[in-house]
Amino acid sequence: SQQGEEDPQALSIQEGENATMNCSYKTSINNLQWYRQNSGRGLVHLILIRSNEREKHSGRLRVTLDTSKKSSSLLITASRAADTASYFCATDGGYGNKLVFGAGTILRVKS
Amino acid sequence: DVKVTQSSRYLVKRTGEKVFLECVQDMDHENMFWYRQDPGLGLRLIYFSYDVKMKEKGDIPEGYSVSREKKERFSLILESASTNQTSMYLCASNYPGTGRSSYNEQFFGPGTRLTVL
Repeated sequence: SQQGEEDPQALSIQEGENATMNCSYKTSINNLQWYRQNSGRGLVHLILIRSNEREKHSGRLRVTLDTSKKSSSLLITASRAADTASYFCATDGGYGNKLVFGAGTILRVKS
Repeated sequence: DVKVTQSSRYLVKRTGEKVFLECVQDMDHENMFWYRQDPGLGLRLIYFSYDVKMKEKGDIPEGYSVSREKKERFSLILESASTNQTSMYLCASNYPGTGRSSYNEQFFGPGTRLTVL
């Protein structure tokens, strides 16, 4: 069963603009992760935020987590054409080892 | 660097054939996973293994089986391939971890795009 749901399903922006993707989930979590997938390839881990954290930064990425609303957002600042990919949130649902992935947001950055 | 490799990038099989998808990881990870990915559905867990010879069903195990005889290798088996098993198959691995202090990032292989005719 899917726990994470991303919004929007697809996003198209110009290079240099910021991209924001949202994720909602249903049950309690220990952590929430974001992954990127380039077309036809495997997923690459981007960032993990723990349930007791509210915000985390990594380079041009900023992730927020609101456990009261069971939601997270991923912000990519100053986007580049190379950021074009699908982005997935994943939660452990308290299970620890297993992750549950959402359907993903397709981001297209136009140069 | 962690490396997860999958035996084929593209595979075409006929209905009814037995299909083996192989995954190998080189980081001594205890956990290994098989997912299938379909448009609009994200990744769905087929099977999960937390140790050699140990396995656990995921969300969609029907029509699949797995084998883990060695720690580094996790095989997905389609006993009798059907057209509805046409999909992208992704293997992943990680260290075990539970609770808030765990860091259970998964490392993914490049995927196998399987077409069943």
